[in-house]
Amino acid sequence: EAGVTQFPSHSVIEKGQTVTLRCDPISGHDNLYWYRRVMGKEIKFLLHFVKESKQDESGMPNNRFLAERTGGTYSTLKVQPAELEDSGVYFCASSHILGDGNTIYFGEGSWLTVV
Amino acid sequence: QKEVEQNSGPLSVPEGAIASLNCTYSDRVSQSFFWYRQYSGKSPELIMSIYSNGDKEDGRFTAQLNKASQYVSLLIRDSQPSDSATYLCAGGAAGNKLTFGGGTRVLVKP
Repeated sequence: EAGVTQFPSHSVIEKGQTVTLRCDPISGHDNLYWYRRVMGKEIKFLLHFVKESKQDESGMPNNRFLAERTGGTYSTLKVQPAELEDSGVYFCASSHILGDGNTIYFGEGSWLTVV
Repeated sequence: QKEVEQNSGPLSVPEGAIASLNCTYSDRVSQSFFWYRQYSGKSPELIMSIYSNGDKEDGRFTAQLNKASQYVSLLIRDSQPSDSATYLCAGGAAGNKLTFGGGTRVLVKP
């Protein structure tokens, strides 16, 4: 069974440009999460989808970030326009159900560098 | 105060010894906890979850939760060089939203 896959693995863009990150969750997982780790900080929650609906987007830093999950399968996270402080690792994660005993599986992350 | 705090390390242990990792959390964090292991450039991988006070053992790993002291720990027995990684402590909340600590880097020396 394929794990959570993310694309691209690495991206270097200039300030002001747009970047779109993609996440393919494990097949059948209704819950999809985006997290981010910026340099020197802990991994922080961005948002949570249940199927195609945004369940919790309390961690989204500002309106330059737009996440979508059309059809409830893969998700994209767009940063437009990118700023220097957006550099970091963006992790996607998925899980089958909610609640205790459920495992959240992470992808390897998309490393974003804004120059 | 951070919601979940860990010593960044590195924690250096000789092969075969016990590695002891600690994590404290604030009132804002839920009462379910997870330990993830992350190798450099790889995805965080869940190794232990603990929901109630006391100890939970799984192979060479033991997690301990003390809700009164707001403290969760992870012991790695018979440490191997392959255990060298960053260990992330995370608190879980509704919707399985995780709050992570900064991670503790563990170095097991042969």
